[in-house]
Amino acid sequence: SQKIEQNSEALNIQEGKTATLTCNYTNYSPAYLQWYRQDPGRGPVFLLLIRENEKEKRKERLKVTFDTTLKQSLFHITASQPADSATYLCAPGEGGGSYIPTFGRGTSLIVHP
Amino acid sequence: NAGVMQNPRHLVRRRGQEARLRCSPMKGHSHVYWYRQLPEEGLKFMVYLQKENIIDESGMPKERFSAEFPKEGPSILRIQQVVRGDSAAYFCASSPRNAPQETQYFGPGTRLLVL
Repeated sequence: SQKIEQNSEALNIQEGKTATLTCNYTNYSPAYLQWYRQDPGRGPVFLLLIRENEKEKRKERLKVTFDTTLKQSLFHITASQPADSATYLCAPGEGGGSYIPTFGRGTSLIVHP
Repeated sequence: NAGVMQNPRHLVRRRGQEARLRCSPMKGHSHVYWYRQLPEEGLKFMVYLQKENIIDESGMPKERFSAEFPKEGPSILRIQQVVRGDSAAYFCASSPRNAPQETQYFGPGTRLLVL
């Protein structure tokens, strides 16, 4: 069955360092992959989308990579700040039919000042 | 431009009652999606609607759950005869189109508690 794996343990890092979050998927051939941020008690907020034919995407301090051979996406936040503390959700989506991404459970990031 | 609105934000129901959750999409968005999030679990897709049409309801339980998006007014997710297992956060999202490059804009969610 299709499976999306994100590290369930919280990632604790020091302010200013680069945070790297991992999303692995199995039995899946996503045409694209999205990353969202979710704060406690709120709905997810879209951050970045990367397509299967793209290796890397950047937006300000954010960088996403997509390796279809390894079936993995990495999400990087450079120069992290305490305000980056949140849960980050990976959401691959398959092409054809309805474009509805499937969400991973998310990884909690805690940036310490 | 107001974002996606959901109400109520919190809803308490006793077992056997009905729950009605409302979602007003962003202005100009005609595609609405409903998701359920259980504690410590990921968002699970339930149903995708356009005005007056259910496009994909593959994630919605066959019994007790229904959804609509009328020509006028908000989208409604209706849960009849609620049970304790229905307690969760229900999120609505909207998009202007249904395509890979389109992001979904989420509302703040409705937290349903079934006593």
